[in-house]
Amino acid sequence: GQNIDQPTEMTATEGAIVQINCTYQTSGFNGLFWYQQHAGEAPTFLSYNVLDGLEEKGRFSSFLSRSKGYSYLLLKELQMKDSASYLCAVRAYYGNNRLAFGKGNQVVVIP
Amino acid sequence: NAGVTQTPKFRVLKTGQSMTLLCAQDMNHEYMYWYRQDPGMGLRLIHYSVGEGTTAKGEVPDGYNVSRLKKQNFLLGLESAAPSQTSVYFCASRGGTRETGELFFGEGSRLTVL
Repeated sequence: GQNIDQPTEMTATEGAIVQINCTYQTSGFNGLFWYQQHAGEAPTFLSYNVLDGLEEKGRFSSFLSRSKGYSYLLLKELQMKDSASYLCAVRAYYGNNRLAFGKGNQVVVIP
Repeated sequence: NAGVTQTPKFRVLKTGQSMTLLCAQDMNHEYMYWYRQDPGMGLRLIHYSVGEGTTAKGEVPDGYNVSRLKKQNFLLGLESAAPSQTSVYFCASRGGTRETGELFFGEGSRLTVL
């Protein structure tokens, strides 16, 4: 099985930087995904890591260390619209590459 | 381009009633999934399909059945609804292994069982 752990909630100020951590335990690791979910809406894809290192996409960056079972999502220049839940999801080779999701981290951006 | 469409978006059932949630995707994706999302529990996989005519159990399959008669449609059925099935249900699809494999989600179906 897969075990995915994320902190539940954090508050940050507009314009700041926030780092959201995700630790996981799985066999047959085949990629880690980050999704953003606004209240009452569907999750939307943010980033994907399968190799160690940093992937940068505009204000969002995601880092992966496979040996440590650890990833983080970095949000820069926070905007009010970034208030959302951020979901970490791990894919494994077994089970037809299906995704297992963490419980999500609620980020609240304040002025 | 509609992407992934779920119907209905809201439904209230009485205990013991049956219903079917329909998911339709127009991206020619092979893989389709049904998740449920509950407060504090995250997204949990109910059933999934790796292609037309196939279905498989996820983490929490009890009380649900699915069918994938056509590639673009994935149906989730509740034969005898229970209050524990009150949840928000999300359908998702993805392309084959040559792609990143990101999931595309429908807008969700909010089900309340009284």
